[in-house]
Amino acid sequence: EIVLTQSPGTLSLSPGERATLSCRAGQTISSGFLAWYQQIPGQAPRLLIFGASRRATGIPDRFSGSGSGTDFTLTISRLEPEDFAVYYCHQYGSSPWTFGQGTKVEIK
Amino acid sequence: QVQLQESGPGLVKPSQTLSLTCTVSGDSISSDDYYWSWIRQPPGKGLEWIGFISYSGSTYYNPSLKSRVTISKNTSKNQLSLKLISVTAADTAVYYCARRDLWSTYPTDPWGQGILVTVSS
Repeated sequence: EIVLTQSPGTLSLSPGERATLSCRAGQTISSGFLAWYQQIPGQAPRLLIFGASRRATGIPDRFSGSGSGTDFTLTISRLEPEDFAVYYCHQYGSSPWTFGQGTKVEIK
Repeated sequence: QVQLQESGPGLVKPSQTLSLTCTVSGDSISSDDYYWSWIRQPPGKGLEWIGFISYSGSTYYNPSLKSRVTISKNTSKNQLSLKLISVTAADTAVYYCARRDLWSTYPTDPWGQGILVTVSS
């Protein structure tokens, strides 16, 4: 099983600031099968990034993903009020598929 | 546009069987293009992938749940189902069904809205 470790656990930032979220895998993730989701309380996760760096349909370009192998990053260039939420990374290249434990982005 | 909708009892007694259904609209679960998955999220916690079923009916389960879980499909009703036996309070969670593309790097998406299942006497 590929364990995904996200850091930090909580990120306290102000609107307009840049957010950098990390996801580290215990083993190499094949062919970029790494995705990022945003979850607002009470809602299902919303796909932001797949294939490590490809934005899903309708996702603003302030969201970007990068990385390969075992180290991946989600960057939100300028935080908007609606971006304060929990973010999960997810690997789906190797069964069992796994999720990171989440990073909460909160308003400072 | 594909939509997924979970349904089933919101309360299950300990030691009993949790049974959920996911009704798919806008696509066929017989399509050979997708995996159909179940994922759960305990209140206030992270996401746990339960397993998937493919178009051929082959299944793969999370080893942590493998001994208790069965995923199946009813192609005539275009539904996916989940059964989890011998439940305990630790199985209390929001349960989601979701689709994943079989042939590309497109991931688990879309998801249903989720259904909260509480295990309690």
